[in-house]
Amino acid sequence: NAGVTQTPKFRVLKTGQSMTLLCAQDMNHEYMYWYRQDPGMGLRLIHYSVGEGTTAKGEVPDGYNVSRLKKQNFLLGLESAAPSQTSVYFCASTKIRTDMNTEAFFGQGTRLTVV
Amino acid sequence: QKEVEQDPGPLSVPEGAIVSLNCTYSNSAFQYFMWYRQYSRKGPELLMYTYSSGNKEDGRFTAQVDKSSKYISLFIRDSQPSDSATYLCAMSYNFNKFYFGSGTKLNVKP
Repeated sequence: NAGVTQTPKFRVLKTGQSMTLLCAQDMNHEYMYWYRQDPGMGLRLIHYSVGEGTTAKGEVPDGYNVSRLKKQNFLLGLESAAPSQTSVYFCASTKIRTDMNTEAFFGQGTRLTVV
Repeated sequence: QKEVEQDPGPLSVPEGAIVSLNCTYSNSAFQYFMWYRQYSRKGPELLMYTYSSGNKEDGRFTAQVDKSSKYISLFIRDSQPSDSATYLCAMSYNFNKFYFGSGTKLNVKP
């Protein structure tokens, strides 16, 4: 049982390049999230999805797009990378809440540098 | 103003000390309160969660929520070097979104 897997783990992009980060979960979770983590800023929500085929904006969605074509996968796209998007990106997933167990399972992170 | 405020530290304590980590928040609608632990270059992992006000204990860890003051705490008793990590508080009111603090870096010295 792998949990939440992110690929790639590291990437260096030039300004203006595009790329896609892949998140895959094998826990049959309904909800999936993309966060970015920057020093002193904590985890900030970029986009999230409450089910296959649905996505919604989080706190900092500009410059990113997402897709959830399959329940187990959540893709984060950078259309035209900017140095301000240098960050560590985390994907997380949770099951539909029917009780108090609110645990979000996180991937290992993707370290992205835009030069 | 951030929805969740957390002192970034770093906090350095000797092994065996009692550690107190805190967060304040501004949104009175938050009902679910969580503490995550994040080791260096790893993803966060859930440590404890509580619902509404009150205390919850799990081994050496105690989580407290004071909704009237909009203040939550995590206490670690008999701290160990293996507790050295960044601790993130998180809150939610509808499970669709989690609002995280910036994290407090803790170093427990042997």
